[in-house]
Amino acid sequence: AQTVTQSQPEMSVQEAETVTLSCTYDTSESDYYLFWYKQPPSRQMILVIRQEAYKQQNATENRFSVNFQKAAKSFSLKISDSQLGDAAMYFCAGRDNDMRFGAGTRLTVKP
Amino acid sequence: NAGVMQNPRHLVRRRGQEARLRCSPMKGHSHVYWYRQLPEEGLKFMVYLQKENIIDESGMPKERFSAEFPKEGPSILRIQQVVRGDSAAYFCASSRWAGDTQYFGPGTRLTVL
Repeated sequence: AQTVTQSQPEMSVQEAETVTLSCTYDTSESDYYLFWYKQPPSRQMILVIRQEAYKQQNATENRFSVNFQKAAKSFSLKISDSQLGDAAMYFCAGRDNDMRFGAGTRLTVKP
Repeated sequence: NAGVMQNPRHLVRRRGQEARLRCSPMKGHSHVYWYRQLPEEGLKFMVYLQKENIIDESGMPKERFSAEFPKEGPSILRIQQVVRGDSAAYFCASSRWAGDTQYFGPGTRLTVL
């Protein structure tokens, strides 16, 4: 079992700027995976990015990248060149023996 | 390749009725997971199934809730004698194997009157 904590209920960013969403996790397992999911108003859960714990290199997907600090148990998501379509709830999730989600961060993008 | 499919998308039940939620995993996926999301909250794990087997039901309420994933057909989440507190969005996800990335369906929004 594990815990996933998102301490920012809401965040706001200006269009074209960069924003970082925070996430911390706690697990006793050595083999685990971390994820960021996006949930727009349609409520569909969309995978944004995935990080394997054994990989030291931070995952990157176009404008989305993570800062994975294993010792600090931190897994933040950076969104560069923010777009209006990035506005959504963002959930951090971790999986060892089971999957746990954080409470989410609501991201607003200002034009 | 069709994604995870859930139906119905919206379901309205009166207190005491039964709710049946269906989930068809992505092609090639044999692992299915059910989650519940209350308004303004994250997803809470309910149950994890493989074909014909319940692997982990630690998140399922002990009464009124059951799940199955038969050899043929979709996975079913069944809620008997629904109460207002069961109103939520129920999401299904599937993966190819146990540690693989989970892909989510569009969810079923259950409203109990």
